[in-house]
Amino acid sequence: AQSVSQHNHHVILSEAASLELGCNYSYGGTVNLFWYVQYPGQHLQLLLKYFSGDPLVKGIKGFEAEFIKSKFSFNLRKPSVQWSDTAEYFCAVNPSVSGGYNKLIFGAGTRLAVHP
Amino acid sequence: NAGVTQTPKFRILKIGQSMTLQCTQDMNHNYMYWYRQDPGMGLKLIYYSVGAGITDKGEVPNGYNVSRSTTEDFPLRLELAAPSQTSVYFCASSPSGGAADTQYFGPGTRLTVL
Repeated sequence: AQSVSQHNHHVILSEAASLELGCNYSYGGTVNLFWYVQYPGQHLQLLLKYFSGDPLVKGIKGFEAEFIKSKFSFNLRKPSVQWSDTAEYFCAVNPSVSGGYNKLIFGAGTRLAVHP
Repeated sequence: NAGVTQTPKFRILKIGQSMTLQCTQDMNHNYMYWYRQDPGMGLKLIYYSVGAGITDKGEVPNGYNVSRSTTEDFPLRLELAAPSQTSVYFCASSPSGGAADTQYFGPGTRLTVL
């Protein structure tokens, strides 16, 4: 079965530290990859996505992610985090199979706490 | 433009009670989804709809029912609530079913069944 693994369930950083959140998926075909973020008290919202082209994707708020097909990975990075980045981050994969609907498979999420 | 709205935000049910979680979107999206999120787990798809009058099961549909009489509304019905249904429920919508489509989420409903 297709699955998404986020290896870090909780991450604690100080402001200005660099961030890398791991995401690996199990599916051998074409995939579309997403990072969603949920800030405290807010809706889950799209941070960035990859569906084709340049494997280095830039999103909102200085985040970027790199799709490495050979490693089945889509890690999220930010060079310098801020307190306002405190949130829960979800990696999601949508395998490009026929069948009609946008079947997102989510990882378990990573809770990031950034201390001033 | 409110996006996706859900009511209620919180609810406590007794075992065996029933309730309906409401979801409305004002973006004229064809596709709508219901997910549940259990602690330490990713979101799992309960039901989805590709348009008014058309619904289908997702990964974890048992114990739930849905209907889609309008483009805007996609209520989720819990019949005979059980403790295993304690979870956070998210409604989402997307313009189409394309694999690269962004889904837009509501704020969630936190349900506890005692």
